[in-house]
Amino acid sequence: SQQGEEDPQALSIQEGENATMNCSYKTSINNLQWYRQNSGRGLVHLILIRSNEREKHSGRLRVTLDTSKKSSSLLITASRAADTASYFCATDFYGQNFVFGPGTRLSVLP
Amino acid sequence: IAGITQAPTSQILAAGRRMTLRCTQDMRHNAMYWYRQDLGLGLRLIHYSNTAGTTGKGEVPDGYSVSRANTDDFPLTLASAVPSQTSVYFCASSDWGRGESGANVLTFGAGSRLTVL
Repeated sequence: SQQGEEDPQALSIQEGENATMNCSYKTSINNLQWYRQNSGRGLVHLILIRSNEREKHSGRLRVTLDTSKKSSSLLITASRAADTASYFCATDFYGQNFVFGPGTRLSVLP
Repeated sequence: IAGITQAPTSQILAAGRRMTLRCTQDMRHNAMYWYRQDLGLGLRLIHYSNTAGTTGKGEVPDGYSVSRANTDDFPLTLASAVPSQTSVYFCASSDWGRGESGANVLTFGAGSRLTVL
């Protein structure tokens, strides 16, 4: 069964707008990570947030984590056409392997 | 360029045939993984190896086998392919336990698209 579930499944926005994707998970975690996958390519790591952190920034990315609600959000500000991709959250717990959600497909229209 | 190389990029295979997907990394990562990606299901872990000489089963190991004879190579074998194994296969690696304060960050290959007829 899936640990992470992204929401929405698909998102379409205009260039320059902000994009927000959400991830919910079911059990305790050590870290939560977000990955991006461009069409036909492998996944690329974007950002990691630990279970004792609430917010983290990296360039135009902002990730929040609410362990009480078992949820995380990824905000991409001032989106660009190049941000068009699928985005996945992945969780892990001490000594256990990652579990990925099904992903959010983001389309940024010029 | 440091990273993961997967081969073949794409393959069409008759059911019942044996197939090995190759994966090589040059980052000296200790851990390696095989995932399959199917539409709507995200990535599911098939097998993993935390260090050379050891392997473990993931979420969907049936019909697949792996070996880890050295640090760099982690081939995935389908002994007798079936149509349900049609998928995109990704190899990944990580510096398990040695990343940012022990965090495990995955580096992925470009994938191998396998079609079993």
